[in-house]
Amino acid sequence: AQSVAQPEDQVNVAEGNPLTVKCTYSVSGNPYLFWYVQYPNRGLQFLLKYITGDNLVKGSYGFEAEFNKSQTSFHLKKPSALVSDSALYFCAVRDMSGNTPLVFGKGTRLSVIA
Amino acid sequence: DGGITQSPKYLFRKEGQNVTLSCEQNLNHDAMYWYRQDPGQGLRLIYYSQIVNDFQKGDIAEGYSVSREKKESFPLTVTSAQKNPTAFYLCASTGGIHSGANVLTFGAGSRLTVL
Repeated sequence: AQSVAQPEDQVNVAEGNPLTVKCTYSVSGNPYLFWYVQYPNRGLQFLLKYITGDNLVKGSYGFEAEFNKSQTSFHLKKPSALVSDSALYFCAVRDMSGNTPLVFGKGTRLSVIA
Repeated sequence: DGGITQSPKYLFRKEGQNVTLSCEQNLNHDAMYWYRQDPGQGLRLIYYSQIVNDFQKGDIAEGYSVSREKKESFPLTVTSAQKNPTAFYLCASTGGIHSGANVLTFGAGSRLTVL
């Protein structure tokens, strides 16, 4: 079985400060990992994904994520937060070896305060 | 522009009524999905379809039904058997089968409220 945990329901950060949104995962094989963002009353938008190779993945809007196999983590990061980054962020995983749909975490609400 | 269109955006239903949510995509994607979103529970998979005339139950299929008669369309019916249907419903699609690193494209969602 595959699963994703986002341990923080809410993350608050001051504008201009670095931000981190945490994600840990569990799969039986190797993972495909994704981050999506959702603005109010909208669908989810793709930010970035990890397939294989370089552990640091760069995505849209200045976001990046670091894959750590030993800690089974895929934390989302940004060096300098913007107020417009305030949204709901979802981590998702799919086992490379299976033919199963993507599994999403419960989401973390990011609030960037001016 | 290519994308996924969900309708209606807002829908109100009386208890005991069935309601159908529309999802249409012009991306030529093979796989389509329905998710339910509730506060604090993330996205839960209701049904998915990898090809026309075939679909599979997700984690919370009870009280829902779907059809996939055309590649571009994947309507979801919320039946009266669904005990707590008030939620935000999201449709998504992806090219090819859903294994691999294919990215999901989401519609803007439909918010269903049962009165």
